[in-house]
Amino acid sequence: DQQVKQNSPSLSVQEGRISILNCDYTNSMFDYFLWYKKYPAEGPTFLISISSIKDKNEDGRFTVFLNKSAKHLSLHIVPSQPGDSAVYFCAASHGWGTGFQKLVFGTGTRLLVSP
Amino acid sequence: NAGVTQTPKFQVLKTGQSMTLQCAQDMNHNSMYWYRQDPGMGLRLIYYSASEGTTDKGEVPNGYNVSRLNKREFSLRLESAAPSQTSVYFCASSVQKGFEKLFFGSGTQLSVL
Repeated sequence: DQQVKQNSPSLSVQEGRISILNCDYTNSMFDYFLWYKKYPAEGPTFLISISSIKDKNEDGRFTVFLNKSAKHLSLHIVPSQPGDSAVYFCAASHGWGTGFQKLVFGTGTRLLVSP
Repeated sequence: NAGVTQTPKFQVLKTGQSMTLQCAQDMNHNSMYWYRQDPGMGLRLIYYSASEGTTDKGEVPNGYNVSRLNKREFSLRLESAAPSQTSVYFCASSVQKGFEKLFFGSGTQLSVL
């Protein structure tokens, strides 16, 4: 049972345009969400996170939006750059602030930004 | 500034062989994790250690054992490798037990023939 789903395995965008990566979850208990970025032959690196008390979090060119009623979050990259080409993983957890809760990862979306 | 270091980077085993994947972090983190990544499956937690001296099973622990040797080191052992264990293995650490951001190593590509 895939609790965190990234239904688009790949996405191609032109440099300078907006990239929108989507993630859906099924567990209504999830209250903390993260995006990780992974380059080939490297481990994932943390990109941005959001808790369920917010519906938006920005960090430079990256913005994550959370729609709790739809159990959906998205990552916007504006403007997209060729160096953003990577695999992006969505991850979720519950019990924010109350102790250890294991992250559940999605299957990833491969983003290709062409010049 | 090494972060999380995994060895080896690549390994080929025959079915039934054993091996240990090594992981060390130099960030004074309390919690350490082992994940595997398979095509179409995302990252799945094998085992974790919330703090030195403790280990717990994750989502897919069968066929694996772990040892938290000290605060820095967390090893993953395959006692009798099977083709189903062909995967990319990632070690990660975090400041403390919890869901805050993980720092990952660069991975071990393991093939079991």
